[in-house]
Amino acid sequence: DAGITQSPRHKVTETGTPVTLRCHQTENHRYMYWYRQDPGHGLRLIHYSYGVKDTDKGEVSDGYSVSRSKTEDFLLTLESATSSQTSVYFCAISQEGLNYEQYFGPGTRLTVT
Amino acid sequence: AQKITQTQPGMFVQEKEAVTLDCTYDTSDPSYGLFWYKQPSSGEMIFLIYQGSYDQQNATEGRYSLNFQKARKSANLVISASQLGDSAMYFCAMREETGNQFYFGTGTSLTVIP
Repeated sequence: DAGITQSPRHKVTETGTPVTLRCHQTENHRYMYWYRQDPGHGLRLIHYSYGVKDTDKGEVSDGYSVSRSKTEDFLLTLESATSSQTSVYFCAISQEGLNYEQYFGPGTRLTVT
Repeated sequence: AQKITQTQPGMFVQEKEAVTLDCTYDTSDPSYGLFWYKQPSSGEMIFLIYQGSYDQQNATEGRYSLNFQKARKSANLVISASQLGDSAMYFCAMREETGNQFYFGTGTSLTVIP
C-alpha cells in the first residue's frame, strides 16, 4: 500500500473556526491533491500541488487554502469553517505520467456545527 | 461540460453474473488515461484498472476488464462473476496529457444480490 496518511481522521468543529487537515506521504510523489466527497457529487477537486510551493485551484476552491512546504506534506486549511464544508476529505498522490494512478489516503470526516 | 459521465446511479446484479458499469468521457487531448476505482462502504478508494488512450487492447485485471471504445468516448467497466464483496461505489476517472488533474464521475453504486 502507498504510504499516505491523513490527520485527523475525524473532526467536529464550530462554524467560524479555522481548521487544518494534514496529508503526509512517504512515496516522494510529485503530485498531491485534496478532494471533498459529498453524496451525489462524487469526488470534487479542491486544490492540488505539483511540487513544493507549487499549487493550483480545483473546481471547488472557494473557502479553502493549501500549502506545501515539503514534498511529503500537503496542508488544507479552512480559514473560517462553514456548515457547507461538512464533508469527507480525501488526499491523493500521484507520480507524473498519464499511466500513473492516484493513491488515496483514508479520508477525514469533518463536521462543522 | 462534464469531463466524465456515469449515468447509472445504482445497479443490481445477481451473484456470479457479469455486470457492466458505464462511463463516457469528454476530452480533446490526443493522449489521456482512464481509471476505475472502487469505494466499499468502509470508505477507502481502491484503484482497479487503467486504460491508456493509445492502448490497442482492452485492459484486464483479474475479473475486471475495461471495454474501451475510443470513437464513442466510452470506457465501461465489466466485472465478471460478481461476488458479494463487489458491492461498492465505482468511480470512473480521466487524466489528460495537458494537465495534472484527475476528473471523476459521480459514481455508480453496485449491489450484488445473493
